[in-house]
Amino acid sequence: SQTIHQWPATLVQPVGSPLSLECTVEGTSNPNLYWYRQAAGRGLQLLFYSVGIGQISSEVPQNLSASRPQDRQFILSSKKLLLSDSGFYLCAWSVYRGDSPLHFGNGTRLTVT
Amino acid sequence: GNSVTQMEGPVTLSEEAFLTINCTYTATGYPSLFWYVQYPGEGLQLLLKATKADDKGSNKGFEATYRKETTSFHLEKGSVQVSDSAVYFCALTPYTGRRALTFGSGTRLQVQP
Repeated sequence: SQTIHQWPATLVQPVGSPLSLECTVEGTSNPNLYWYRQAAGRGLQLLFYSVGIGQISSEVPQNLSASRPQDRQFILSSKKLLLSDSGFYLCAWSVYRGDSPLHFGNGTRLTVT
Repeated sequence: GNSVTQMEGPVTLSEEAFLTINCTYTATGYPSLFWYVQYPGEGLQLLLKATKADDKGSNKGFEATYRKETTSFHLEKGSVQVSDSAVYFCALTPYTGRRALTFGSGTRLQVQP
């Protein structure tokens, strides 16, 4: 069966520090991969999605970036965190089919101080 | 573009009450529709889905019917339990193009004993 791992679960970082969140998927090949952010009390905002190694689409301009160095690995990064980067970050995967649902990791709660 | 509108919460109900959470969408073509549930501190879990008009998705006593004429996908449950307390997200993925889900803002459900 397929599983998705996301870490760390919680993170407290000072403003201006770098960020690296990692997500890996097991049990499937060539998945679509996604990073979403959920701000406190709000819905989910799509940040990045990837249909293959090295293929990243950005949905919103910001100081975050994403990379996919391996088929089942997706990394969210920042060189310098802002206070507004605080939130709950969710990684997800799906197969490439119109009615396929997304399968989410347990999320990373990031607090920028 | 695609969008999903959900009723604002929180929705507070007594145990065994009837639940309706409204969801309407805007999309071209024939999107697939989903309901996700998020328990406190966790990622999102797929609750149910429907892929074409008049389809009814169901799971764990929850139901939602894909109504193309009213562009709606309302979530219902006949008798809620305290364990149903969570945030519920309505979402769609378009028939063509990128497969990333577009989410509504979420509706918090609080069930009191």
